[in-house]
Amino acid sequence: GQNIDQPTEMTATEGAIVQINCTYQTSGFNGLFWYQQHAGEAPTFLSYNVLDGLEEKGRFSSFLSRSKGYSYLLLKELQMKDSASYLCAVGLENYGQNFVFGPGTRLSVLP
Amino acid sequence: ETGVTQSPTHLIKTRGQQVTLRCSSQSGHNTVSWYQQALGQGPQFIFQYYREEENGRGNFPPRFSGLQFPNYSSELNVNALELDDSALYLCASSVTGELFFGEGSRLTVL
Repeated sequence: GQNIDQPTEMTATEGAIVQINCTYQTSGFNGLFWYQQHAGEAPTFLSYNVLDGLEEKGRFSSFLSRSKGYSYLLLKELQMKDSASYLCAVGLENYGQNFVFGPGTRLSVLP
Repeated sequence: ETGVTQSPTHLIKTRGQQVTLRCSSQSGHNTVSWYQQALGQGPQFIFQYYREEENGRGNFPPRFSGLQFPNYSSELNVNALELDDSALYLCASSVTGELFFGEGSRLTVL
């Protein structure tokens, strides 16, 4: 089976840094993706890792360790608009769109 | 704006009815996939279409079916609706791996 785990909820303060962890056990692996989803809206792509290490993209960074089945999303200089659900997803096929999504982490940014 | 559009945005059906949801993918994207997202959960893969052929399917019963048309738009059909089918149905297109989602169709089954 496929399994992806993330914390259900997290709370942080505006201006702070938060790390959202994701662990996965899947039958295949073709990249680890992070998506942001505001309430009532569609998920939007944030970052992608296929090799081990850190990928930085402005205020967002994502890390991957394939041997540990582990990734994290790091959000810096938090803003109120970052309050959203963050979805960790593993791509299972080289060309397809069969992604396994985690349950999402609902982040609340407080003033 | 991802360029992926879905219709209708909201609809209400009763148990046993049938529903058709529609999706227009982003220009140039020949692969479309459908996901079901229950409240408070991550999206679940239903199936994928590539050049009008089903090209991968998740753990959903046969009453979930689909079509892709020559212009790469797509339909999701669900027969014999059940209460548990109430969810947000997301269409996504891609050409390089990352998914571009539409805004979704929220289905409520009473």
